[in-house]
Amino acid sequence: EDQVTQSPEALRLQEGESSSLNCSYTVSGLRGLFWYRQDPGKGPEFLFTLYSAGEEKEKERLKATLTKKESFLHITAPKPEDSATYLCAVHVRSNFGNEKLTFGTGTRLTIIP
Amino acid sequence: NAGVTQTPKFRVLKTGQSMTLLCAQDMNHEYMYWYRQDPGMGLRLIHYSVGEGTTAKGEVPDGYNVSRLKKQNFLLGLESAAPSQTSVYFCASSYRDRGPGANVLTFGAGSRLTVL
Repeated sequence: EDQVTQSPEALRLQEGESSSLNCSYTVSGLRGLFWYRQDPGKGPEFLFTLYSAGEEKEKERLKATLTKKESFLHITAPKPEDSATYLCAVHVRSNFGNEKLTFGTGTRLTIIP
Repeated sequence: NAGVTQTPKFRVLKTGQSMTLLCAQDMNHEYMYWYRQDPGMGLRLIHYSVGEGTTAKGEVPDGYNVSRLKKQNFLLGLESAAPSQTSVYFCASSYRDRGPGANVLTFGAGSRLTVL
């Protein structure tokens, strides 16, 4: 069964304190990995898509990386406005041609001023 | 540019009552989706549609029905609500660049449903 695990569940950082969020997956037929940001009371908002091991993408203070077993979302010198829940999702295509997007439970990030 | 709009934002139902959640998108997206989000669980796909007049079951379809009579609208219905359907429901839409599980999703703000 496809599994997506995000860690830690929650993370509190001081403003400017860099860290990384992890998304590990056990799937067959990975076709892509997505990162979304979700603010309280709102829907998820797209950040990145990664397709192959070794790929990296950056946006402002965020950088997403991908290996064959996990993805990291690195946050450099975070600001309070980076506080949110970060979700990862893996796109899998089975041998039967079925496609599925499986979401992790998210990491709730709080940046303290 | 409104994106994806969900109505209502909040609703309280009694067990056995019925209701419909409405999703509207103005981006001309071909695909539309309904997800539910529960504490400690990832977003789970209820139903989706790859085009006007078509619908398909997702991961957790039981107890829900959907319709897509117009390209821009996707309705989620609960015929007989149960407490287990208490959740936050998100509608999403996407272009048809790849298959239904592969595209970047644009989400609505969510509809919080409580079933007593």
